[in-house]
Amino acid sequence: DAKTTQPNSMESNEEEPVHLPCNHSTISGTDYIHWYRQLPSQGPEYVIHGLTSNVNNRMASLAIAEDRKSSTLILHRATLRDAAVYYCILRDGAAGNKLTFGGGTRVLVKP
Amino acid sequence: NAGVMQNPRHLVRRRGQEARLRCSPMKGHSHVYWYRQLPEEGLKFMVYLQKENIIDESGMPKERFSAEFPKEGPSILRIQQVVRGDSAAYFCASSPLAGGYNEQFFGPGTRLTVL
Repeated sequence: DAKTTQPNSMESNEEEPVHLPCNHSTISGTDYIHWYRQLPSQGPEYVIHGLTSNVNNRMASLAIAEDRKSSTLILHRATLRDAAVYYCILRDGAAGNKLTFGGGTRVLVKP
Repeated sequence: NAGVMQNPRHLVRRRGQEARLRCSPMKGHSHVYWYRQLPEEGLKFMVYLQKENIIDESGMPKERFSAEFPKEGPSILRIQQVVRGDSAAYFCASSPLAGGYNEQFFGPGTRLTVL
């Protein structure tokens, strides 16, 4: 699976939006962009994924650059419960089974 | 629909003992993955199983570790003759289908402490 680059940490104020960037310049045409998060002392949790078009769900939005070399996870209104480590992961659509976790971005939400 | 279940949640073993970690995937899921998170480190893939078959064990240590997913019952991750370096959180995930477009659903993990 191709490599991703994320900032180590970000801070946000409660109820403000959070934009988490991810660079994946070596992405291939069949790679899906996945986001997972891990809250303290819990297992990872799926957030969202996409291929080419922007995606929205109840948890977040995923904005994918036109050249697909970068993407941004958007949490529209951060809450204290969103404090977690967020992982951006590329997975090949056909053969990508395992998740390859990098260091992720640790998000701190201030009240 | 119950989520992925893992037991025990906490396991303490002395050096040289065996550890058996169990994972019950979500109903209807036939694909199981095991990951390990060492203290202060990231999550690392260990093994991917589909009912009765090991598909990818590229992340499994060569010795003392084994995994199975029998036709009936939970998936088992077995660690023989545990050492202190095996102390970690072990997470199991499941998915209904293979392929990189499917999400994986994770369990709460088993935290293994080796004394």
